[in-house]
Amino acid sequence: AQSVTQPDIHITVSEGASLELRCNYSYGATPYLFWYVQSPGQGLQLLLKYFSGDTLVQGIKGFEAEFKRSQSSFNLRKPSVHWSDAAEYFCAVGAGSSASKIIFGSGTRLSIRP
Amino acid sequence: GAVVSQHPSWVICKSGTSVKIECRSLDFQATTMFWYRQFPKQSLMLMATSNEGSKATYEQGVEKDKFLINHASLTLSTLTVTSAHPEDSSFYICSAQTSGSRNEQFFGPGTRLTVL
Repeated sequence: AQSVTQPDIHITVSEGASLELRCNYSYGATPYLFWYVQSPGQGLQLLLKYFSGDTLVQGIKGFEAEFKRSQSSFNLRKPSVHWSDAAEYFCAVGAGSSASKIIFGSGTRLSIRP
Repeated sequence: GAVVSQHPSWVICKSGTSVKIECRSLDFQATTMFWYRQFPKQSLMLMATSNEGSKATYEQGVEKDKFLINHASLTLSTLTVTSAHPEDSSFYICSAQTSGSRNEQFFGPGTRLTVL
């Protein structure tokens, strides 16, 4: 069965520091992978997605993620975080016969230290 | 573009009553809509998938008679929590997908339901 694991429940980084959020997936075929961000009072916003092609994916707000099939990973990175990046981040995989169902990881809460 | 709204944004009701939550795609036609439930500090769990004009497909463990889903048009889906109980208190989130969006879903802001 498809699943997504985000091993870090809560991460705190200093403003301006680099960030990497970990994500591992379990899926039989080539996965559709997503990273979403959820801020309080707002809906989930898609940061980036991987369907095929270049394994390094660029997203919005300066985020990028790298698909590594050998490690079943899709880690999210940002070279320099801003206080406004504090939020909950969800990694997800598209599942089902047409990959239209999204299975979410448990989320990683990001706090920014001034 | 690709804006999804939910109404109400929060609702408090008495145990035993029914509550309806609306999900609308404001600027596109959604062939498929999804309903999720999110408990505090937890992930989103898919409850059901609905296609316009057909019956919803519920995930295992979700009571279809308790969580009634109607997708009457390409821009509106409703979730009705029938005979709500305190354990139904949660954050309900919908998403909408177009046929050509390569599986990208656009999420609503969510509805906070509190059952007293």
